[in-house]
Amino acid sequence: EPEVTQTPSHQVTQMGQEVILRCVPISNHLYFYWYRQILGQKVEFLVSFYNNEISEKSEIFDDQFSVERPDGSNFTLKIRSTKLEDSAMYFCASSPLAGGGEETQYFGPGTRLLVL
Amino acid sequence: SQQGEEDPQALSIQEGENATMNCSYKTSINNLQWYRQNSGRGLVHLILIRSNEREKHSGRLRVTLDTSKKSSSLLITASRAADTASYFCATGGGATNKLIFGTGTLLAVQP
Repeated sequence: EPEVTQTPSHQVTQMGQEVILRCVPISNHLYFYWYRQILGQKVEFLVSFYNNEISEKSEIFDDQFSVERPDGSNFTLKIRSTKLEDSAMYFCASSPLAGGGEETQYFGPGTRLLVL
Repeated sequence: SQQGEEDPQALSIQEGENATMNCSYKTSINNLQWYRQNSGRGLVHLILIRSNEREKHSGRLRVTLDTSKKSSSLLITASRAADTASYFCATGGGATNKLIFGTGTLLAVQP
């Protein structure tokens, strides 16, 4: 069964460093998402991506964050200058569509980011 | 209450018993999805119910949705120790169907 994959599973970085989190969505899906979950808290929406552009983003997704689909299979989240409060589990998700019976979002296993 | 609040926060039952978790939300939705998360792991999709549906079944899972009360419930019948996990509801809305997650219910099934 197809699944969303994410790499790395864990990442430790120093404050101020750039990190790139990678995701490979399910191949025939058109909508891609990033969410994050700070330890012990709710899962929070960061950004959605469709047709090679951001379709919606949350207040969390400020200028330090960017997303890219560089090669038609990978979907990346870049944090330009990490802060301590960026420490969280980051989940990638994809769905075939955003409605019409094809809106189920499938999540990857997550990347645990620790900023020191 | 916040969008996507669940109760109870924690539930402990014996194997074989049924577990019911409730979710309330505030805004209009296109759909509501339930996910399971084992400790520190990824989110596993369980079931989706659309805003025009009232009840849905999948195996031992039964989900109801009451849009007039803005609430949903997840029933797990004949629970097993392997059902021990956190369960989250997530409402989908807007053009991109972004999900807004609830606070989760921690279910412990005692063997």
